Amino acid sequence: AQSVTQLDSQVPVFEEAPVELRCNYSSSVSVYLFWYVQYPNQGLQLLLKYLSGSTLVKGINGFEAEFNKSQTSFHLRKPSVHISDTAEYFCAVSVSGGYNKLIFGAGTRLAVHP
Amino acid sequence: DTAVSQTPKYLVTQMGNDKSIKCEQNLGHDTMYWYKQDSKKFLKIMFSYNNKELIINETVPNRFSPKSPDKAHLNLHINSLELGDSAVYFCASSQVRDSRAGYTFGSGTRLTVV
Repeated sequence: AQSVTQLDSQVPVFEEAPVELRCNYSSSVSVYLFWYVQYPNQGLQLLLKYLSGSTLVKGINGFEAEFNKSQTSFHLRKPSVHISDTAEYFCAVSVSGGYNKLIFGAGTRLAVHP
Repeated sequence: DTAVSQTPKYLVTQMGNDKSIKCEQNLGHDTMYWYKQDSKKFLKIMFSYNNKELIINETVPNRFSPKSPDKAHLNLHINSLELGDSAVYFCASSQVRDSRAGYTFGSGTRLTVV
């Protein structure tokens, strides 16, 4: 079975500072990896995804993530955050082949302060 | 046009009542899902339908009954509502055999049982 661990439940950061949100996964088979963002009182929006190939993937709103197979990690980064980045961020995995079942981590609350 | 739309957005009801949440997608996807997000923001899959066939049925009380009249619609009916059913319920859609694409989510239905 697959599982996702987001190592920080909350990450406070000042505006224009860099940020990293950490995600580790567990799976005995190949997986696809995703980061979703949930702004207050809204649904989930896809930020970026890793399918194969280059381990550094770029997404919307200036976010990027790096896949590290040896460490089974998929950390999300942004070099300079804005107040508008305040949201809940979810890491998720799906298994290649079979039914498309997305397993989510518990989420990380990013709070950007002025 | 909204890709995945849920109604209602907010639902306040008394314990013991029966209620339904509706979901429609216009993306041509063949699979739809219901997720429950609890007060700690944890997302848990409840059900998934592929072309009107139930393919994922997680451990959910049988007071919850999904119904899919066609592949573009997935409704969730809840009988005898309990306080613990209070949560945000998200509908999502995808192509079942395309684990690379992730899901498209609706904006959620906030259910409050009083």
